[in-house]
Amino acid sequence: NAGVMQNPRHLVRRRGQEARLRCSPMKGHSHVYWYRQLPEEGLKFMVYLQKENIIDESGMPKERFSAEFPKEGPSILRIQQVVRGDSAAYFCATVTGTGYNEQFFGPGTRLTVL
Amino acid sequence: DAKTTQPPSMDCAEGRAANLPCNHSTISGNEYVYWYRQIHSQGPQYIIHGLKNNETNEMASLIITEDRKSSTLILPHATLRDTAVYYCIVRAISSGSARQLTFGSGTQLTVLP
Repeated sequence: NAGVMQNPRHLVRRRGQEARLRCSPMKGHSHVYWYRQLPEEGLKFMVYLQKENIIDESGMPKERFSAEFPKEGPSILRIQQVVRGDSAAYFCATVTGTGYNEQFFGPGTRLTVL
Repeated sequence: DAKTTQPPSMDCAEGRAANLPCNHSTISGNEYVYWYRQIHSQGPQYIIHGLKNNETNEMASLIITEDRKSSTLILPHATLRDTAVYYCIVRAISSGSARQLTFGSGTQLTVLP
């Protein structure tokens, strides 16, 4: 997992606030996946991005969630007006090449909504 | 992607081989078998993958049956640090197929001292 950075590692928000989660890929990786892991559950795919493009957002909730991966800087997963059900661990994974290669996961951001 | 079935939990004595089974009876010809593991509270870690031949790397060996309907991940000398949830994932690698990983429930491997 060395090289994929996520911050913050822990984030506490009150209901109604916004949460911004950042993922910095490994050097040379231009593809980012975001996954969510609810307590006691497996990881679920949310969104797949390449630089400046959303390729697949089929796993994203229809409202309040958005993601971007700008030309410069980290990928950002944004959750607006958080609710208690958003409390989870959010992991990003980055890939080089076509996107089918081995995915390297970051350490995750643990979001707690009070 | 084909579904996989894994036992929910297994124990293994430290220093012994850990053999983790996975059934994927509906696997298609273009689908690979991947193994990842997740040590408590950490991000998943890639272990190994294969199509039909057995594979070995510094972490583990992957044995795939001839009919490809099941596979076994082997950790040859398990240590306490191998305690984790192990995920068997079947995934196509071809243009047009989904690129994300689909995680099931996995097998909780506990290595006992």
